[in-house]
Amino acid sequence: DPKIIQKPKYLVAVTGSEKILICEQYLGHNAMYWYRQSAKKPLEFMFSYSYQKLMDNQTASSRFQPQSSKKNHLDLQITALKPDDSATYFCASGDWGKDTQYFGPGTRLLVL
Amino acid sequence: GEQVEQLPSSLIVQEGASVLINCSYTDSASVYFPWYKQEPGKRLQFIIDIRSNMERKQNQRLTLLFDKKTKHLSLHITATQPGDSAIYFCSASEGGSALGRLHFGAGTQLIVIP
Repeated sequence: DPKIIQKPKYLVAVTGSEKILICEQYLGHNAMYWYRQSAKKPLEFMFSYSYQKLMDNQTASSRFQPQSSKKNHLDLQITALKPDDSATYFCASGDWGKDTQYFGPGTRLLVL
Repeated sequence: GEQVEQLPSSLIVQEGASVLINCSYTDSASVYFPWYKQEPGKRLQFIIDIRSNMERKQNQRLTLLFDKKTKHLSLHITATQPGDSAIYFCSASEGGSALGRLHFGAGTQLIVIP
């Protein structure tokens, strides 16, 4: 669904650096999410935001910080990157009363 | 917390065959169960869902069965086509909200041979 945009599509970073993953949705949804998919683990929830406020947080590490500058934006800042952070990060959005979460195309992050 | 298990991990079938993917969950408070399909390198695509007050839902060649008592779901795909080849994920929305965090199974890779 091209109405959820994630940038960049691919990202290569060095250990210790910092990166920001961008997510914008044009579905008019008021809830947004980040999920991570890696070779070692199944798809796992990271954060959810509703009306630009943190709703739920599964990520233990403070190196992962979501940032919501607008209602339809939920970026993910990752600091002090580690090789274990290598994964595909999916943004999703949903609307209260309509159940379904829709996913973006993902950002594939490789940390060397 | 919620745990979702999915079997089998992979299926290889001839075009036209039917397949069954099984899924179980642990949290009896979960009320909403969406399924997604993921082709290589692509986004998760929503395909069908069911709420805990239903037993069955059909969407064209997809039929989703739900058993609240046993906490078990099964996705039946009939008349498979090569375009159905993908990884299929079962998920459960945590707690009583359909927009809660989704817990995913490990996925079932379906390969349909022409």
